[in-house]
Amino acid sequence: GIQVEQSPPDLILQEGANSTLRCNFSDSVNNLQWFHQNPWGQLINLFYIPSGTKQNGRLSATTVATERYSLLYISSSQTTDSGVYFCAVGWGYQKVTFGTGTKLQVIP
Amino acid sequence: ETGVTQSPTHLIKTRGQQVTLRCSSQSGHNTVSWYQQALGQGPQFIFQYYREEENGRGNFPPRFSGLQFPNYSSELNVNALELDDSALYLCASSSTGTYRELFFGEGSRLTVL
Repeated sequence: GIQVEQSPPDLILQEGANSTLRCNFSDSVNNLQWFHQNPWGQLINLFYIPSGTKQNGRLSATTVATERYSLLYISSSQTTDSGVYFCAVGWGYQKVTFGTGTKLQVIP
Repeated sequence: ETGVTQSPTHLIKTRGQQVTLRCSSQSGHNTVSWYQQALGQGPQFIFQYYREEENGRGNFPPRFSGLQFPNYSSELNVNALELDDSALYLCASSSTGTYRELFFGEGSRLTVL
């Protein structure tokens, strides 16, 4: 099955700093999502981005499907950005595979 | 628009027991999938239901089973519980249109003693 790797696995940032999270996948996909998992376990949708670039406030994402990677940018980080970030990929209606996650801690 | 809801939010069972978890899909969505998330790991796909039939399954034994009802809600049943079944169980709903974006519920946290 498809392999999904995220980097870095752990990230500590000072409040106000910028960061880039990366998601590499091993096969063609036409579904790709980024999620933020809060401390209570809920997965919050950030972006549905099988290709191209999207922006939502301080967050933006870019997927280059031909090169099999996606990037999530967080600018001017806040303590509320802390948590685990997952990318999840799939093809058609087949199962969605989650990456290993990036655990982000933003310190004041 | 109603989001994905799951019940119960927390439960404790003992080894060998059976458990049923429930999920109501987001309005307008006809596909439900279930995921198991062990502590410190990413969610793992269990299975997916569409039109009341299972149409995809991950690497989980048959004691994990499910149902989808005509209103698209779903159940996950786990028989003969084992200690390793302790996890957060997440339900996601999606449509079968062009965009297969998943929307998740808050999860059911199962502890097996």
